[in-house]
Amino acid sequence: QVQLVQSGAEVKKPGSSVTVSCRASGGTFGRNAIGWVRQAPGQGLQWMGGITPVFGVPMYAQQFQGRVTITADESSSTAYMELSRLRSEDTAVYFCALAAGVYAPIDSWGQGTLVTVSS
Amino acid sequence: DIVMTQSPATLSVSPGERATLSCRATQSVGNNLAWYQQKPGQAPRLLIYDASTRATDVPARFSGYGSGTGFTLTISSLQSEDFAVYYCQQYNDWPSTFGQGTRLEIK
Repeated sequence: QVQLVQSGAEVKKPGSSVTVSCRASGGTFGRNAIGWVRQAPGQGLQWMGGITPVFGVPMYAQQFQGRVTITADESSSTAYMELSRLRSEDTAVYFCALAAGVYAPIDSWGQGTLVTVSS
Repeated sequence: DIVMTQSPATLSVSPGERATLSCRATQSVGNNLAWYQQKPGQAPRLLIYDASTRATDVPARFSGYGSGTGFTLTISSLQSEDFAVYYCQQYNDWPSTFGQGTRLEIK
């Protein structure tokens, strides 16, 4: 079974950018979609966007449009989420998630990456 | 965006008892509704999808019901490992949206 392995924790300054990676271990993405969900400290889950690597076209939630870029490299079975113009409210755990499609439930999750935005 | 509202925010139940969690959508999502369980420091785990289908290895004490705008998750006899936060998620419309969660705590 494919496991999603994310990059490590990051500390960033306000106004900068962060890139979180998500690698499929033990397999490939296949025709599945990779989504990104974030969770602020003590808060709920928020869907940011997703991509089906085999098609390559990302989709973003309106709230993050213009600040987030989601890409995927099929050759290395790795997806990336870049968030720019960081502010303190972006401090959160960022999860990558595997689903059968962008309109499908999430079958498996990465371990999460804590991004802290602080001056 | 479709807003998902869960109730109650916190539910206190004794082990062995039944727990019923609710989730309502601001517009119909058909049966495109999932439930997740999240424990502290962990990623969520898929319990139920398509409103009523248990995911792989999910115990039979978990059941989901509903369609359209109203859904429930029932845990028939609570075990110690079931005390966690539960989220519903609609994946009928873009973007997918989650409820704010119900914390299930030991009474």
